[in-house]
Amino acid sequence: AQSVTQLGSHVSVSEGALVLLRCNYSSSVPPYLFWYVQYPNQGLQLLLKYTTGATLVKGINGFEAEFKKSETSFHLTKPSAHMSDAAEYFCAVSADSNYQLIWGAGTKLIIKP
Amino acid sequence: DSGVTQTPKHLITATGQRVTLRCSPRSGDLSVYWYQQSLDQGLQFLIHYYNGEERAKGNILERFSAQQFPDLHSELNLSSLELGDSALYFCASSVDSPHTDTQYFGPGTRLTVL
Repeated sequence: AQSVTQLGSHVSVSEGALVLLRCNYSSSVPPYLFWYVQYPNQGLQLLLKYTTGATLVKGINGFEAEFKKSETSFHLTKPSAHMSDAAEYFCAVSADSNYQLIWGAGTKLIIKP
Repeated sequence: DSGVTQTPKHLITATGQRVTLRCSPRSGDLSVYWYQQSLDQGLQFLIHYYNGEERAKGNILERFSAQQFPDLHSELNLSSLELGDSALYFCASSVDSPHTDTQYFGPGTRLTVL
């Protein structure tokens, strides 16, 4: 069975610092991987996704993520945090056309001025 | 703006009551998904419809039901409401497959059961 683990329900970084949000998955077949962001009082929106091809995926707002099969990870990074990045981030995985997305529990990113 | 609309934005009701939440997907999207988001349970997938047919069920209670109409809008019906049903309910839509397609989320309906 597939599963997704997001390490840390809350991550706090200073403005300008590196953002690293961790996502590990379990899947017996090559997965498709997603990061979604939820700003306060809004619905979720796609940040980026990995389906096939290049393992380093660039998304919106300067975020990127790298699919590492050997580590079963899809960590989200951004070189320099902005106050506007404060939001909740969800990792999701799907590994079969019959499967719905399996969602992580979410990580709240807090930006300190 | 994702192009997905949900009504109403807020709903306050009493235990034991029944409510209907409505969702209009993005133009051209055939798939509609319903999610429940609460503080204690996080984001939970409820149900997926594709072009009027139920495709998958997640953690949806028997008191809850949904349907997708020929014009592709969808309704989520919640009955015999309990305090624990208080949550944010999201609708999302995609072109087709949840496996690869981007899901576009609506702004949500906040349900409060008193």
